[in-house]
Amino acid sequence: GAGVSQTPSNKVTEKGKYVELRCDPISGHTALYWYRQSLGQGPEFLIYFQGTGAADDSGLPNDRFFAVRPEGSVSTLKIQRTERGDSAVYLCASSLTSGSYYEQFFGPGTRLTVL
Amino acid sequence: SQQGEEDPQALSIQEGENATMNCSYKTSINNLQWYRQNSGRGLVHLILIRSNEREKHSGRLRVTLDTSKKSSSLLITASRAADTASYFCATDAWSGGGADGLTFGKGTHLIIQP
Repeated sequence: GAGVSQTPSNKVTEKGKYVELRCDPISGHTALYWYRQSLGQGPEFLIYFQGTGAADDSGLPNDRFFAVRPEGSVSTLKIQRTERGDSAVYLCASSLTSGSYYEQFFGPGTRLTVL
Repeated sequence: SQQGEEDPQALSIQEGENATMNCSYKTSINNLQWYRQNSGRGLVHLILIRSNEREKHSGRLRVTLDTSKKSSSLLITASRAADTASYFCATDAWSGGGADGLTFGKGTHLIIQP
């Protein structure tokens, strides 16, 4: 059953490397969200998709971050030239459709560590 | 940036007591949600209260919302050890083409002592 799944659960990389983080939403959910959570903080919104299109990417911190959802299901968050400050837990959530009245279901997250 | 601020940052109580957490936010909202996060289950949705509602109940949870003060409270009654977790309030942007992404506070870390 399925809840939201994310892979990998942990990723350790070196500064300057490229990483991809994957999110598999709940089947049938058209809206998908990416958040980032630093230690001791609440999740911070990055980007959300309605279907295949990025409806709002205003939370992406800079152009090193990019996300895709080519078939309207699985999404990949891509980070180029990683920096130590990118270290955080990256959370993915999905909801039946967009609109804040719909509950967002969160995945377990990917813990990214940039050395 | 984080819109909500939870208060207190940390709270430790005895099992069976009630726990109250507060949240303040800055901008107009459509609704406010509370989430719980622990290492075992990740981030879990607890309750949503709409901007035109003042109080909502769900089991042992009671949420209030005061839009004039831009604040909300979460009350957990008859606390249990399993309630030990971090609790976050989350708000949406007031509609007008704003994002559907949620804005979370920093959270209250609740510890229930057996």
